[in-house]
Amino acid sequence: GDSVTQMEGPVTLSEEAFLTINCTYTATGYPSLFWYVQYPGEGLQLLLKATKADDKGSNKGFEATYRKETTSFHLEKGSVQVSDSAVYFCALSSDKLIFGTGTRLQVFP
Amino acid sequence: DTAVSQTPKYLVTQMGNDKSIKCEQNLGHDTMYWYKQDSKKFLKIMFSYNNKELIINETVPNRFSPKSPDKAHLNLHINSLELGDSAVYFCASSQVVHVSGNTIYFGEGSWLTVV
Repeated sequence: GDSVTQMEGPVTLSEEAFLTINCTYTATGYPSLFWYVQYPGEGLQLLLKATKADDKGSNKGFEATYRKETTSFHLEKGSVQVSDSAVYFCALSSDKLIFGTGTRLQVFP
Repeated sequence: DTAVSQTPKYLVTQMGNDKSIKCEQNLGHDTMYWYKQDSKKFLKIMFSYNNKELIINETVPNRFSPKSPDKAHLNLHINSLELGDSAVYFCASSQVVHVSGNTIYFGEGSWLTVV
């Protein structure tokens, strides 16, 4: 069945460092891909999405490109802030939304 | 205005009790969901409803009974609560039943602790 694999955390970075969180997927057909973020004690918020191959989703300085050839949707940010500390979930949608296991990001000043 | 709202946010209850979590969306969406997030942060769909009709039931124990009185509401009732039911339950909605390409909007979660 469809699945999402993302890198294990926690990812620990200093402020202004470059961030990459890897995400790969397995799917039949052509799913849409999403990144959701969960800040401490809060619910899930959509961060960005891409609906077809080579699309780039972007929001709040975060970017991810839908790579069909490598079945990947890696999340990147050029300069992280302390306020970016959260758990990030990669997800794909076909007939339902399937989440990866989440990656905790900790950013220190 | 909160798009997807669920109550209560926190719930502590004893084993064996029956409890309900309510969810409402004001987005005009046709489809609503319940997701469970366990202690390791893993998220999994439990149910989805489209226009009050059950679409997905992911082999959830029948102690869990969703009820959708109208397409804007999807409540979750849990009978005979067990320790393993402790989790965060997220309500969500999307415009149409086929999720691909459509964004799912989540509520803020209901933290259930069974003691």
